[in-house]
Amino acid sequence: DGGITQSPKYLFRKEGQNVTLSCEQNLNHDAMYWYRQDPGQGLRLIYYSQIVNDFQKGDIAEGYSVSREKKESFPLTVTSAQKNPTAFYLCASSARATGYEQYFGPGTRLTVT
Amino acid sequence: AQTVTQSQPEMSVQEAETVTLSCTYDTSESDYYLFWYKQPPSRQMILVIRQEAYKQQNATENRFSVNFQKAAKSFSLKISDSQLGDAAMYFCAYSHNYGQNFVFGPGTRLSVLP
Repeated sequence: DGGITQSPKYLFRKEGQNVTLSCEQNLNHDAMYWYRQDPGQGLRLIYYSQIVNDFQKGDIAEGYSVSREKKESFPLTVTSAQKNPTAFYLCASSARATGYEQYFGPGTRLTVT
Repeated sequence: AQTVTQSQPEMSVQEAETVTLSCTYDTSESDYYLFWYKQPPSRQMILVIRQEAYKQQNATENRFSVNFQKAAKSFSLKISDSQLGDAAMYFCAYSHNYGQNFVFGPGTRLSVLP
C-alpha cells in the first residue's frame, strides 16, 4: 500500500539533546513537508522540499534542520536550539499531477523534559 | 500573503442533521486550490474534499459538499446526515503554486451529538 510513514509514534528526549524524526513516503511524490501542531492549534510549516537536495524554510524553521538526500525520505532534526520542542509533528507529501493536495503521515508526538 | 480564516472555533450538530462550516480566504491570485481536511482524535489528517478555483461547479464527495463563492472568497463545507464519526477538527486550506503557499486555517472543532 502506498502511503507516508512516520516513526516513532511517541518520542521522549531530555532537554539539550538533538532528536531526528523519520518520514518516508512511497507515493513517488516530489514535494515533502514538515508541520508542527501545538494543542488546540492549527498547523505551522517548518520546512518543505520540492525536489531532492533542495529545501526551503517555512514559517517556524528556527531550531530545526532537514535533509532530502532521497526522494522517499525527509527527516527532521529538532536541535537543542529549539526553545519549545514538545509538540506533535506531521509530515506530508504532494505530487505535481494530483492537484496539489497534501497527504499526511500519522504524526510523531515529541516530548522533551 | 495568503490567509485563511475559520471564524467558528467550535460547532456542534445533532446526529443525522446537517451542519455548515465556514471558511474565508484572502488572495490576489485567480488560479488556486482549496481543501477541507479532517483531523479526528487519532490526529491523522485526512483529505475530505478539494475545489479548483477555475471550476464553477461545487465539489461533492458523498455526504460532503462545498459552497465555493469565488468573488466573496468563501469556501464553506456542508456535512449532510452527520454521523458520530464526523466528530473531528476540520481545517480549511489554500494552495497556489506547487510546493509553496499551502496555508491552513486555524480549524473548527465539530462535535456530533447522539
